[in-house]
Amino acid sequence: DAGVIQSPRHEVTEMGQEVTLRCKPISGHNSLFWYRQTMMRGLELLIYFNNNVPIDDSGMPEDRFSAKMPNASFSTLKIQPSEPRDSAVYFCASSLFRSQDKYGYTFGSGTRLTVV
Amino acid sequence: AQSVSQHNHHVILSEAASLELGCNYSYGGTVNLFWYVQYPGQHLQLLLKYFSGDPLVKGIKGFEAEFIKSKFSFNLRKPSVQWSDTAEYFCAVSPIKAAGNKLTFGGGTRVLVKP
Repeated sequence: DAGVIQSPRHEVTEMGQEVTLRCKPISGHNSLFWYRQTMMRGLELLIYFNNNVPIDDSGMPEDRFSAKMPNASFSTLKIQPSEPRDSAVYFCASSLFRSQDKYGYTFGSGTRLTVV
Repeated sequence: AQSVSQHNHHVILSEAASLELGCNYSYGGTVNLFWYVQYPGQHLQLLLKYFSGDPLVKGIKGFEAEFIKSKFSFNLRKPSVQWSDTAEYFCAVSPIKAAGNKLTFGGGTRVLVKP
């Protein structure tokens, strides 16, 4: 099992540019979560999907952020336009719906985003 | 909404010392509890979990945690730490609900083990 795969690992972009982060969950998992980690705010849940449907996006900071899950094996988190305060590590995690309480989540390696 | 508090933000100790990290949560219902570890530059990995049964849970790498329901606590312990235990540790809570659960994380505790 390749685990949760995120790309890119590092992204440096200029303020105002569009940024797209990608995630491939573990095959068979049908819950997917996007988290953001910063020194100031720790780990924040941005949005999560069950069976490709967004369930809770209350953590999405503002309209500049959007997330999609077009199929069970792929999700994107887009920031448009990006701002320096968006600089953080973005983690994707997946789990098996309704069993996640028994197994927890499996996290990807994260994307370190720097907006200059 | 549930919340998780980790009271120690930073802990520094020497090898072979004992470690205990505090975690308290606020939620009125039944929860599942987790500890995750994040080694420098890496992603979060599951250390141990509690769902039901024996409140003393043993995890990987010699870690254990005790669930005390009356205190809403789930403290992490290790009797003798190693330099390789240097990492950030996160406590997390997941309420048991019918429609799927999401994890709420504490703020994390950075542990530095000096050789």
